[in-house]
Amino acid sequence: AQSVAQPEDQVNVAEGNPLTVKCTYSVSGNPYLFWYVQYPNRGLQFLLKYITGDNLVKGSYGFEAEFNKSQTSFHLKKPSALVSDSALYFCAVRDGGYNKLIFGAGTRLAVHP
Amino acid sequence: NAGVTQTPKFQVLKTGQSMTLQCAQDMNHEYMSWYRQDPGMGLRLIHYSVGAGITDQGEVPNGYNVSRSTTEDFPLRLLSAAPSQTSVYFCASSYLGGASGANVLTFGAGSRLTVL
Repeated sequence: AQSVAQPEDQVNVAEGNPLTVKCTYSVSGNPYLFWYVQYPNRGLQFLLKYITGDNLVKGSYGFEAEFNKSQTSFHLKKPSALVSDSALYFCAVRDGGYNKLIFGAGTRLAVHP
Repeated sequence: NAGVTQTPKFQVLKTGQSMTLQCAQDMNHEYMSWYRQDPGMGLRLIHYSVGAGITDQGEVPNGYNVSRSTTEDFPLRLLSAAPSQTSVYFCASSYLGGASGANVLTFGAGSRLTVL
């Protein structure tokens, strides 16, 4: 069965510093991987996805993610964090056909001034 | 363009009561789905639909029913609410197919349900 793991419940970063939110996956076949962000009392918003091709995927709001097949990881990164990046981040993998997604437990990112 | 609209935003039920969470999208998306979000567990798929008249179960379908009579609407029914169904519920939709075959889900704002 497909699965994703987010090993950190919370990540704390100072504003201006680089940030990384970790995600590892377990799939049979080629993975379709996603990152979504949830701001307080809102629905999830799409950040980026990896389907195939370049291992470095660029997304919304300056975020990017690096696909690493040998380490089965898909870490989310940003070179310089903003206070407004503080939110709950979810990694997800497509499960079989259609657009069924399996989500990780989420990582809360706190960016401090 | 409203996107995905969920109603109500908040609801309190007593154990054993029934209710329907409404979901409507105006993007002509074929695929619609319901997730529940619980602390520390991420989002779990309840039911999904790939078109009018076609529904299937997700990871946690017990206690929930769905139907899809139109492309736009995908209501989620709780026939006899239980405290374990206290959660935040999200409806999400997307196109199917396309070149990559992995289309982005558009989420509603959520419905917070409390069962006493």
